[in-house]
Amino acid sequence: AQSVTQPDIHITVSEGASLELRCNYSYGATPYLFWYVQSPGQGLQLLLKYFSGDTLVQGIKGFEAEFKRSQSSFNLRKPSVHWSDAAEYFCAVGVRLGNQFYFGTGTSLTVIP
Amino acid sequence: DSGVTQTPKHLITATGQRVTLRCSPRSGDLSVYWYQQSLDQGLQFLIHYYNGEERAKGNILERFSAQQFPDLHSELNLSSLELGDSALYFCASSTGLAGGLDTQYFGPGTRLTVL
Repeated sequence: AQSVTQPDIHITVSEGASLELRCNYSYGATPYLFWYVQSPGQGLQLLLKYFSGDTLVQGIKGFEAEFKRSQSSFNLRKPSVHWSDAAEYFCAVGVRLGNQFYFGTGTSLTVIP
Repeated sequence: DSGVTQTPKHLITATGQRVTLRCSPRSGDLSVYWYQQSLDQGLQFLIHYYNGEERAKGNILERFSAQQFPDLHSELNLSSLELGDSALYFCASSTGLAGGLDTQYFGPGTRLTVL
């Protein structure tokens, strides 16, 4: 069965520090991979997505993610975190057949000044 | 603002009741998705419609049903409500051109409280 694991429930980083949020997936074929951000009281916003090709993908707000097939991972990174990045981050897998989606449980990011 | 609208914003009802949540997709989008977000279950995909037809079902209970109308708005019907149905319900839309795996734009959600 398909699944998405975000092992870190909560992360705290200092403003200006680098960030890496982990995501591992379980799926038999190459999946479609997504990272979404959810600010308090808001819906989800797409940060970036991977379908195929270059395994390092660039997204909005200075985020990037790298697909590593051998590790079944799709970690999200940002070189310098801003206070406005504090939010909940969700990794998701899109299953090609059936048009279904599976989300991780999310990682809550706190940014301290 | 994603362009996806959901009504109502908040809904408080009692166990056993039935409610209808409404979603209007972005202009031009043919696909609508419904999700349930709760503290204990996280974000769960419920169902996907494309141009009026059901395309995929996720973890949707039999007490729940949805439909997409000719004007492309969608409604999620929740019946025989239980306390555990209290959650935030999101609608998302996309063009549908990439077989349903294109970028989804999420609405602000409807918060359902079952007392």
